[in-house]
Amino acid sequence: EIVLTQSPATLSVSPGERATLSCRASQSVSSNLAWYQQKLGQAPRLLIYGASTRATGIPARFSGNGSGTDFTLTISSLQSEDFAVYYCQQSNSWPPLYTFGQGTKLEIK
Amino acid sequence: QVQLVESGGGVVQPGRSLRLSCAASGFTFSAYDMHWVRQAPGKGLEWLTVISYHGSNKYYGDSVKGQFIISRDNSKNTLYLQMNSLRVEDTAVYYCARDPSSAHVNPGVFDYWGQGTLVTVSS
Repeated sequence: EIVLTQSPATLSVSPGERATLSCRASQSVSSNLAWYQQKLGQAPRLLIYGASTRATGIPARFSGNGSGTDFTLTISSLQSEDFAVYYCQQSNSWPPLYTFGQGTKLEIK
Repeated sequence: QVQLVESGGGVVQPGRSLRLSCAASGFTFSAYDMHWVRQAPGKGLEWLTVISYHGSNKYYGDSVKGQFIISRDNSKNTLYLQMNSLRVEDTAVYYCARDPSSAHVNPGVFDYWGQGTLVTVSS
């Protein structure tokens, strides 16, 4: 099983500042890495897939980077609605055995 | 618009069974692979299982293999999860999710999610 490790567990950032979240895979997942945002009491929302492609309707302030084992999600200028938990997820396994990271909580500083 | 609505959750005793449903609308259900993902209270996300668009191919995570069964009825635009021999640790919100896999998107991405249904396994 591919293990995804996200860091930090909690990130405190002020509105308007940049946030950078990390996700490291225990083995290469190529570019088969997605990011999701989850707000309290809501279902996750797809932000990024293929490591760097924004999903439909996702603002340009969200960007993804990386390949292989190291990935980042950057939010360029934090808005109030961006404070949430973020998960990375890999889809490189065959047969399918998809895994998520443990999440990074982005909180207001 | 795409909608996924789960139902069938509730409180169940350990060892019993439960079947969840996910009603899909707003898209051609029979053209998409579908997944179940769960989230234990206060915990992260766990992928459980996927079924191909035609229903012939099914894959399971190790934690539910042999215990849960995924199925679909394309004539009813509905996805199912049959959960057997339930344990306390199966307590979670269960989400169904659509896989947009195409020529441009590799499989294993979840682009639309339902609101989830809570399953509580307790005596």
